[in-house]
Amino acid sequence: AQTVTQSQPEMSVQEAETVTLSCTYDTSENNYYLFWYKQPPSRQMILVIRQEAYKQQNATENRFSVNFQKAAKSFSLKISDSQLGDTAMYFCAFMIGQGAQKLVFGQGTRLTINP
Amino acid sequence: EPEVTQTPSHQVTQMGQEVILRCVPISNHLYFYWYRQILGQKVEFLVSFYNNEISEKSEIFDDQFSVERPDGSNFTLKIRSTKLEDSAMYFCASSEGYGGGSSYNEQFFGPGTRLTVL
Repeated sequence: AQTVTQSQPEMSVQEAETVTLSCTYDTSENNYYLFWYKQPPSRQMILVIRQEAYKQQNATENRFSVNFQKAAKSFSLKISDSQLGDTAMYFCAFMIGQGAQKLVFGQGTRLTINP
Repeated sequence: EPEVTQTPSHQVTQMGQEVILRCVPISNHLYFYWYRQILGQKVEFLVSFYNNEISEKSEIFDDQFSVERPDGSNFTLKIRSTKLEDSAMYFCASSEGYGGGSSYNEQFFGPGTRLTVL
């Protein structure tokens, strides 16, 4: 079974700072995908960034980037130049590349950006 | 931009009552999912659905739960006899494909239905 662990229940930074959220996962699969989802107070789940395990290059989306370490089974999210609108719960998630493509989520990190 | 919609946004029910949560997936999507999130906890997979049948279900998805695509546009989750512990946010998601190998299809989430069981 796949598991996803986020060891930081809460984080808080000042606006414009850079923050890194940690995620580790456990799987015996070789073909899989990793995601970071943002859940603002509205509780809508919004995809922030995704990474295919077969790609060595780390994914980036504007101010968001990941550090994917496959051997260490680590998948951290870096938010640069943080903004007040980044305040949200952030969930790391895992999906097997074949068969039932259910998402397995971590426990979440509550990120607060302070003015 | 196409989006997944869910109704109602909030449902309050008495323990033991039946509830039906409704979702309208994105029109060209073929794969549908239900997830739930108990307040303050992580999002958990319930069930996936394709070609009018369940593809996979979790341990949570017991005989009290059922899913249906009654009319080609709606995708519903029914809880036959609600329990207090069913109180949660229920998210519907849909994806265009269900590819294997190295293919991937993003799951688009609806805004959720907050279910409160009293």
